[in-house]
Amino acid sequence: QGQLVQSGAEVRKPGASVKVSCWAPGYTFLNFDINWVRQAAGQGLEWMGWMNPSSGNTGYAQKFQGRVTMTRDISSSTAYMELISLRSEDTAVYYCTRAVARKSRYFDFWGQGTLVSVSS
Amino acid sequence: DIVLTQSPDTLSLSPGARATLSCRASQSVSSNSLDWYQHKPGQAPSLLIYGASTRAAGIPDRFIGSGSGTDFTLTISGLEPEDFAVYYCQQYSDSRFIFGPGTKVEI
Repeated sequence: QGQLVQSGAEVRKPGASVKVSCWAPGYTFLNFDINWVRQAAGQGLEWMGWMNPSSGNTGYAQKFQGRVTMTRDISSSTAYMELISLRSEDTAVYYCTRAVARKSRYFDFWGQGTLVSVSS
Repeated sequence: DIVLTQSPDTLSLSPGARATLSCRASQSVSSNSLDWYQHKPGQAPSLLIYGASTRAAGIPDRFIGSGSGTDFTLTISGLEPEDFAVYYCQQYSDSRFIFGPGTKVEI
């Protein structure tokens, strides 16, 4: 089963960084890209980027280039998303998702979400 | 860059009614790359439709996706209480995913 389990809520001050984890038990971690999507309060879904667990290759939305890094630990089937230079606008729920890439590309499983709050 | 526009912003309907949600792309997109998600408060989004018209596993047949080119539609025939949520269309191209702004379906 494509279950994704994320780390707990985080509180940070502006300028700090945060690293959210996404553990993928129950399926072959290397076979599916992990994408990250966030939702700020009252806003829609925003795609942040992708990471291929097998190669470690990544691709980031232009908005987050230079501030986000997506990595993985193959031994523990865990993906990570680190966001630096946090500002209040980064307060959001962050989701990891499993991406299926066949004839179509879509997100079939989602983590439960991690609330990151940025406040002085 | 492709931009997705969804309409209406909000749809106010009663249980049992038919909901018609629109997703329009700023340029023609592959039907294989247009998906729909449902998002309820306090929960993670969930996949409804992929490839414009294929229901995801376990999705009831009252959810129907259609369309091609620049115009796509999600129809919910006979709203159930659990269907009141926000619905997002999503498109993939050039190694990027883009979400529409969402349509809220409320009672």
